[in-house]
Amino acid sequence: DQQVKQNSPSLSVQEGRISILNCDYTNSMFDYFLWYKKYPAEGPTFLISISSIKDKNEDGRFTVFLNKSAKHLSLHIVPSQPGDSAVYFCAASAWDRSQGNLIFGKGTKLSVKP
Amino acid sequence: SQTIHQWPATLVQPVGSPLSLECTVEGTSNPNLYWYRQAAGRGLQLLFYSVGIGQISSEVPQNLSASRPQDRQFILSSKKLLLSDSGFYLCAWSVRYEAFFGQGTRLTVV
Repeated sequence: DQQVKQNSPSLSVQEGRISILNCDYTNSMFDYFLWYKKYPAEGPTFLISISSIKDKNEDGRFTVFLNKSAKHLSLHIVPSQPGDSAVYFCAASAWDRSQGNLIFGKGTKLSVKP
Repeated sequence: SQTIHQWPATLVQPVGSPLSLECTVEGTSNPNLYWYRQAAGRGLQLLFYSVGIGQISSEVPQNLSASRPQDRQFILSSKKLLLSDSGFYLCAWSVRYEAFFGQGTRLTVV
């Protein structure tokens, strides 16, 4: 059973426009959410995160929105740049030091066209 | 600053051969350590995690095992590789929520 779902395997956006990547989760115990960016043959790199006590977190061109009632979060990239082309993973955690789990979605491949 | 080392970067192994992938972390103490696998066209699947020396939790039944002989060392092993073990293996560490990944090992079982 997938606890973190990214239903769009791919997304294509024109340079300069907004990219919106979506993520849904099922476990109401998750209290922290993260987005990772991954290039081929490399490890994922941490991008931005949000605690469940917030509904928005912004870092430069990247903004993450959290809708707890809908169990949904999204990553907005504005403006999109060709260098943003990568696979984006959503991840969620119900932090318990004895567990340490970080559950990932299957990823969305973003292509930003010049 | 913290760094994570994972090796080798690529590996081609015959079916039935053993496997040992090693991961070490520098610049932090008592991290949580993880092994993930990304199969072709798939997401990141958590294989093992460890919250301390000798403490290993397995998320999925499989042909692999993990060990943590030292605080900042995590090893992924197999006695006999299967074709289905091919994939991109990633080691990661965390002390709170954010996990930081190594560069990964591309394993091809032939």
